[in-house]
Amino acid sequence: DIQMTQSPSSLSASVGDRVTITCRASQGISNYLAWFQQKPGKAPKSLIYAASSLQSGVPSKFSGSGSGTDFTLTISSLQPEDFATYYCQQYNSYRWTFGQGTKVEIK
Amino acid sequence: QVQLVESGGGVVQPGGSLRLSCAASGFTFSSYGMHWVRQAPGKGLEWVAFIRYDGSNKYYADSVKGRFTISRDNSKNTLYLQMNSLRAEDTAVYYCAKDPGWHWGQGTLVTVSS
Repeated sequence: DIQMTQSPSSLSASVGDRVTITCRASQGISNYLAWFQQKPGKAPKSLIYAASSLQSGVPSKFSGSGSGTDFTLTISSLQPEDFATYYCQQYNSYRWTFGQGTKVEIK
Repeated sequence: QVQLVESGGGVVQPGGSLRLSCAASGFTFSSYGMHWVRQAPGKGLEWVAFIRYDGSNKYYADSVKGRFTISRDNSKNTLYLQMNSLRAEDTAVYYCAKDPGWHWGQGTLVTVSS
């Protein structure tokens, strides 16, 4: 199976900060990479697909980049509603795999 | 709009069985592959199983192979997960998701405990 390594596992940031989360695949996955946001007690919400395409309705402060094995999620200006856990996911294979998650907390 | 609603979760003893259902609406269910994904309390996301749009192929995580069975009834727009020989480590919220993953249900909690 393809392993996804996400970093950092947690970070503390202030409102207005720019935040970057990275994700590395154990083998090339082209651009079959998605990012999800999850808040406590809720289902994951899709933010980005195909590494850099924004889902409908997702604000443009979220952006993604990368291809092959290395990917990033950037939040340009952190707002209170953005404090959550973020996961990367590869869908190059039907056997999906996820990063271990990055918890974004308030500093 | 796409809607996925899971049901069937609950408390079951180790070694027991449970069948989860996922009712789909808002899209042509018979045209899409479907997944089950789970999340143990306080842990990350773990893919469980996938079934192709017509049920012709099924794939399982090693952790559930031989114990869980994914199936679908396209006439009822419903996805299933039959879970047998349940273990404490199967305790989790179980989500169904439409391939390639943009839409998920709200989840149903399965607790395996004596």
